[in-house]
Parts: sequence; C-alpha cells; structure tokens
Amino acid sequence: RKEVEQDPGPFNVPEGATVAFNCTYSNSASQSFFWYRQDCRKEPKLLMSVYSSGNEDGRFTAQLNRASQYISLLIRDSKLSDSATYLCVVNPGGSFGNEKLTFGTGTRLTIIP
Amino acid sequence: EPEVTQTPSHQVTQMGQEVILRCVPISNHLYFYWYRQILGQKVEFLVSFYNNEISEKSEIFDDQFSVERPDGSNFTLKIRSTKLEDSAMYFCASIQTSSVADTQYFGPGTRLTVL
Repeated sequence: RKEVEQDPGPFNVPEGATVAFNCTYSNSASQSFFWYRQDCRKEPKLLMSVYSSGNEDGRFTAQLNRASQYISLLIRDSKLSDSATYLCVVNPGGSFGNEKLTFGTGTRLTIIP
Repeated sequence: EPEVTQTPSHQVTQMGQEVILRCVPISNHLYFYWYRQILGQKVEFLVSFYNNEISEKSEIFDDQFSVERPDGSNFTLKIRSTKLEDSAMYFCASIQTSSVADTQYFGPGTRLTVL
C-alpha cells in the first residue's frame, strides 16, 4: 500500500460546482496532515492543515478520520483560480517530531468556465 | 511576508558534473529540508538538517549527495557526479520549530536538467 494515496484525476468541473478530494495514508502513527496546492511547475503551497474535528477556511473544508486513515478536502463554489494540483501531505513524525513530509501524487483539478 | 529563496531557478549540466543548489531559508527558521520532484511524479523527501547536521535522509540521498550550511543564511545541496535521473525540480523548505503541526515553507525550486 502506498504511503499516501490519492486519485490522480484529472477532475474537470464547471465553475461554481462543489468538488471533493479523498486521500488515504498507510502509517497509523502519522502525526499531522495537510492539503497543499501546487500550480504547474511551482512549489507546493500550504492550503490548510487538517484536524480530526474538521476545519473550514472560507470555501474549503478539510476532514480527518484517524480510524479509517482517511483525509478529505471539499471545495465549494469553485472558481477558475482553484485550478491546480491538490496534494495530500502527511507528517509521520520522528525523533525530532518534524522530520519530513510524505506527499501523495496529487489530484489535478481544472475548473471550466 | 518572509520567504524561502533558491538559486539558480534553472541549472543545466552535463552528466558527471558537480552541481550546487543554493537556498536561503526564512531567517528565524531552524529546520531545513530538501525535496525533489521528477516531472510528472510526486514530491519526494531527500534530507532534513538541524543544528548543523543531517537528522534524517531518504534512500535517494546516497553518497553522491551532500548538504551544508556554510554560513548563517545559506543551505546548499551538492550533487557530486550528476546522472540523467537526477533531472528534477529541487525544492528547499524550512520550518521554525520541531512541532509536527508547524508549517513547512517551500522555496520556488531549482529545475535541474542533466544532459
């Protein structure tokens, strides 16, 4: 099983639609969870951290289910500027507590006008 | 807003040559990382660095790779003898604390092309 697994897409959705991404991770001891966004040939940028209680930031909602080792991201009222690759990212923790991030392959999203 | 910077943005080299990729992490950050992303593939961890030593490295980070913090601001990745398969984007990242909840900030990357 891959460390972090995502549907690679592509997802092509009309502007204004709601889109959901899912991700699973294999290491049950993983410490923290994030969604990053990556535009073409650019660096990953943090979109939001993910907590078990669920968290929302404007049109974006993230959820973590530790029992199922499952992470989700919901984008409501999608905009053209949301077109990007969305990366599910897990920090497995380590002796220093923050050794590395493990990335999924990313899900490519294109918003269609 | 402070940011991680990397130079050069694009490096072209011949197979077998040495390259040094440079990064300037955010000034009050203490933990530094290199990642790479081969075109069309996922971002992969290479190495983490704290208190002037490597704290963890991946299987990719073999004897051909080394890292250094030569002064108080720069963090470098050296590839001693480049191979074709080293062609990738190399991202530097830094973080202020060791908290797992803290955010790693990524630089814009160096695109390395090995011919």
